[in-house]
Amino acid sequence: NAGVMQNPRHLVRRRGQEARLRCSPVKGHSHVYWYRQLPEEGLKFMVYLQKENIIDESGMPKERFSAEFPKEGPSILRIQQVVRGDSAAYFCASSVRRGSDTEAFFGQGTRLTVV
Amino acid sequence: QQQVKQSPQSLIVQKGGISIINCAYENTAFDYFPWYQQFPGKGPALLIAIRPDVSEKKEGRFTISFNKSAKQFSLHIMDSQPGDSATYFCAGTGANNLFFGTGTRLTVIP
Repeated sequence: NAGVMQNPRHLVRRRGQEARLRCSPVKGHSHVYWYRQLPEEGLKFMVYLQKENIIDESGMPKERFSAEFPKEGPSILRIQQVVRGDSAAYFCASSVRRGSDTEAFFGQGTRLTVV
Repeated sequence: QQQVKQSPQSLIVQKGGISIINCAYENTAFDYFPWYQQFPGKGPALLIAIRPDVSEKKEGRFTISFNKSAKQFSLHIMDSQPGDSATYFCAGTGANNLFFGTGTRLTVIP
């Protein structure tokens, strides 16, 4: 009974490279959320997706960042041409349905370091 | 724009003491207020949650107090233990997403 699986756990990229972060939700969950965590700044909402649809991307930078949750396979957060400021922990969460009282289960995060 | 404000940023409590973390929210569309607990190197995990039509919810040593008119809520940890040492996040949620406070790093001294 696996929880939310994120990989890789640690990712090092040089400036200008692309970073791909993967998130496999809890089995049966069709709603995925991505958050970025910086020290002393808590968890910042980036994007909320349902299978094949982006529901809310209001927290995602307009350039270089994109997210998808295809019908088959994991959700992907893609960061193009990474810069040092992208270094952070990125967390994915999933829930079984949309709704305010639905528990969101988090993965262990991907720690991205841009050198 | 920080939709949920949390304080203090860090908190040190003696074992057996009461830990209190406060949050305030702006968005009146929020209708569910969970608290998450995060240990180093791990993802956040749901600890306890409350709806705004309830003024208090207690689960074991953890209690949420909610003041709808003031748009404030707080987490009380009674008889705090060293194993409670973690970062705690309050959150507000509506139909589409979940907004977190900036977190409180709690240290319980033996």
